[in-house]
Amino acid sequence: GIQVEQSPPDLILQEGANSTLRCNFSDSVNNLQWFHQNPWGQLINLFYIPSGTKQNGRLSATTVATERYSLLYISSSQTTDSGVYFCAIHSGTALIFGKGTTLSVSS
Amino acid sequence: NAGVTQTPKFQVLKTGQSMTLQCAQDMNHEYMSWYRQDPGMGLRLIHYSVGAGITDQGEVPNGYNVSRSTTEDFPLRLLSAAPSQTSVYFCASSYWDTGRETQYFGPGTRLLVL
Repeated sequence: GIQVEQSPPDLILQEGANSTLRCNFSDSVNNLQWFHQNPWGQLINLFYIPSGTKQNGRLSATTVATERYSLLYISSSQTTDSGVYFCAIHSGTALIFGKGTTLSVSS
Repeated sequence: NAGVTQTPKFQVLKTGQSMTLQCAQDMNHEYMSWYRQDPGMGLRLIHYSVGAGITDQGEVPNGYNVSRSTTEDFPLRLLSAAPSQTSVYFCASSYWDTGRETQYFGPGTRLLVL
């Protein structure tokens, strides 16, 4: 089945720094989502981005479907950005999740 | 809207006990699903439903049963709990709009099987 790999597995930042999270996938996809899981465990849908670029405040995402990767950019990071970031690919009726990138932002 | 609700938030079971994890949504979504999350892993799909009366297996269905008698509710049953089922369980509902799926996750149920 489709494989989803995320890097880096862990990231430690000082508040105000920028970061790039990467998601590679093994097969062509027609949709991809990014999620944030906050330290309390709640999962929030950040982007639905099968291709192209989207921006929402300090966060933006780019998916290059032909090269099978997606990037999540976080600018001017804040402590509230801490948590785990997942990308997920639709495979049939299921979402296939990567193992996530754990982000820790310190003040 | 309450969104997706799950009960209980925490549960401790002994091996062999049975229990039902409850999930409800008030957004009239047709699609609902159950995932489990283990340390260092992403979420893995257990079972899903595309509408009332229709369920199917996901990636890791063994040891779990589901039913969908109404659009709102999608309970997950553990018939005979095993330590390997210690995990955090998430229920989700979603809808499709103009070719895009939007998913909403519940707050999760933390299950410990001793």
